[in-house]
Amino acid sequence: EDKVVQSPLSLVVHEGDTVTLNCSYEVTNFRSLLWYKQEKKAPTFLFMLTSSGIEKKSGRLSSILDKKELFSILNITATQTGDSAIYLCAPPKGNTGKLIFGQGTTLQVKP
Amino acid sequence: EPEVTQTPSHQVTQMGQEVILRCVPISNHLYFYWYRQILGQKVEFLVSFYNNEISEKSEIFDDQFSVERPDGSNFTLKIRSTKLEDSAMYFCASSERSRGYEQYFGPGTRLTVT
Repeated sequence: EDKVVQSPLSLVVHEGDTVTLNCSYEVTNFRSLLWYKQEKKAPTFLFMLTSSGIEKKSGRLSSILDKKELFSILNITATQTGDSAIYLCAPPKGNTGKLIFGQGTTLQVKP
Repeated sequence: EPEVTQTPSHQVTQMGQEVILRCVPISNHLYFYWYRQILGQKVEFLVSFYNNEISEKSEIFDDQFSVERPDGSNFTLKIRSTKLEDSAMYFCASSERSRGYEQYFGPGTRLTVT
């Protein structure tokens, strides 16, 4: 059965800290992995990763995929209170690309 | 920037009533999805839709659920006879392609069944 496990489940840091969020997956016919940020409502797209070892970067956020070890990490440097959210990873599956979500990591950044 | 929109933002209904949740996907997207998130739980896939037909559905998507693209822009999810356990946030998503391409989510409809 397909499985996505994120760790830690929750994290409390102070502004300026660096955090690393983990996502491990077991999905047949793996093609890619997506990261989303969920604040009050809808998940907003952050990254799509398809190749191992190639870092994707957007401002203070970066992410990398390891297809051999079946995991991905999301790094956030110099965290700000606006980074407080639930971070979700989700590999698309099958021909339809339906997303299999992990339970998410809840990040709280304190001032 | 194009975005997925959903209406209503909140729907309260009585058990046994029919509800229709509406979505307008991004205009050049071809693949459409419904997901739901029960409070405190994971986001779960319900159904995918392509070329005017369901391409995949989950076990949750039973005969009480149906989807439709009645015109070139709207994409709807109907629940025929709501149950208490249907209370959840329902998200619509769309994608330019399937097979591992990024999906963009609407803001969601919070459905409360009393």
